[in-house]
Amino acid sequence: GAGVSQSPSNKVTEKGKDVELRCDPISGHTALYWYRQSLGQGLEFLIYFQGNSAPDKSGLPSDRFSAERTGGSVSTLTIQRTQQEDSAVYLCASSLRGKTEAFFGQGTRLTVV
Amino acid sequence: AQTVTQSQPEMSVQEAETVTLSCTYDTSENNYYLFWYKQPPSRQMILVIRQEAYKQQNATENRFSVNFQKAAKSFSLKISDSQLGDTAMYFCAFMKGGGSEKLVFGKGTKLTVNP
Repeated sequence: GAGVSQSPSNKVTEKGKDVELRCDPISGHTALYWYRQSLGQGLEFLIYFQGNSAPDKSGLPSDRFSAERTGGSVSTLTIQRTQQEDSAVYLCASSLRGKTEAFFGQGTRLTVV
Repeated sequence: AQTVTQSQPEMSVQEAETVTLSCTYDTSENNYYLFWYKQPPSRQMILVIRQEAYKQQNATENRFSVNFQKAAKSFSLKISDSQLGDTAMYFCAFMKGGGSEKLVFGKGTKLTVNP
């Protein structure tokens, strides 16, 4: 694909349910990042992958949040037992190893009702 | 820890005029990068311009230029000849040196270009 692809584009879920958000990075990009953008806020870092390893998961807000990356490509961010405060846009970005330019997807807007 | 501050939540400018967006940051790092990203309603973040901290010369990209004041930890974005398509959220961001590091973002400035 030409760019970073995220799915679904929008997700409405009931409080307490689990959700999975998917990110398909640009082919060949070994670095992958997840960010969260709450209403009226900047982007908040969640987790960084280099290949399949996550050397920095310092931004995950609670143990309800987890992420994995398989085959050095697709990543899944899972939120368990969703809460209303989890409502936000979740953005994924990828970059070549050692490079500063990150390419972003269009995000998943998560609404917890 | 690094912090990025954008003190202008909203700004507006007339088409064809010039506007400057402000950004300050705090860090103890010596090697770092600064960025301006644009986020239109499509939500996709688009890189506008990048500045390496070790370079004294201000970066420029067509109508976009920065005023990088390292001692003052200031990094403003100037948009010349504003166009309607420049209407978007603009985020200032910081990255530690080395590449493949996380970005630290400010809260953004909503820019509206009026016809």
